Amino acid sequence: GNSVTQMEGPVTLSEEAFLTINCTYTATGYPSLFWYVQYPGEGLQLLLKATKADDKGSNKGFEATYRKETTSFHLEKGSVQVSDSAVYFCALSPNSGAGSYQLTFGKGTKLSVIP
Amino acid sequence: KAGVTQTPRYLIKTRGQQVTLSCSPISGHRSVSWYQQTPGQGLQFLFEYFSETQRNKGNFPGRFSGRQFSNSRSEMNVSTLELGDSALYLCASSLGTGWRETQYFGPGTRLLVL
Repeated sequence: GNSVTQMEGPVTLSEEAFLTINCTYTATGYPSLFWYVQYPGEGLQLLLKATKADDKGSNKGFEATYRKETTSFHLEKGSVQVSDSAVYFCALSPNSGAGSYQLTFGKGTKLSVIP
Repeated sequence: KAGVTQTPRYLIKTRGQQVTLSCSPISGHRSVSWYQQTPGQGLQFLFEYFSETQRNKGNFPGRFSGRQFSNSRSEMNVSTLELGDSALYLCASSLGTGWRETQYFGPGTRLLVL
């Protein structure tokens, strides 16, 4: 079946540090890939997505590139802010078949940014 | 445009009881999906409804059920509650169904089973 593996947290960074959160996936075919963010006490917000190989998703300074050869979708940001403190989830959705609208999530990575 | 709303936000029940959670999608959205979030299992897909029909179902026992109304609002029901059902239940809506659609999540209903 489909699965998503992301790096264990928590991750603690100083403000303006570089962020990488690793995500790899297992799926048949070519799924769509997503990063969602969850702030304390809130639901999930879509951060960025990519629907085919070599696509780069970007939003709010965050970027992730769909790497089919390494089945990865690592999240990066050049300079984090305190307001980026949240839990980040990598997810995939199959591009076809009966489960085509079912998101499979990683376990989440908690990021804390200190001033 | 108002986002996805879920009611109630918090709920406390005892084992054996049943519970109904409600989700109102973004106006114009016809698809609603439900997810369960727990510290141990993470986020798991429960089911998806589109145009009042269940399109997809996750690996949960029959105690978990749902429905969608003609105005796209959705409810999920859990009967005979167990301690392990304590979780954050998230609802997500999208315009249509299928992998091209972006899902927008509500704030969730936090259920505690005692």
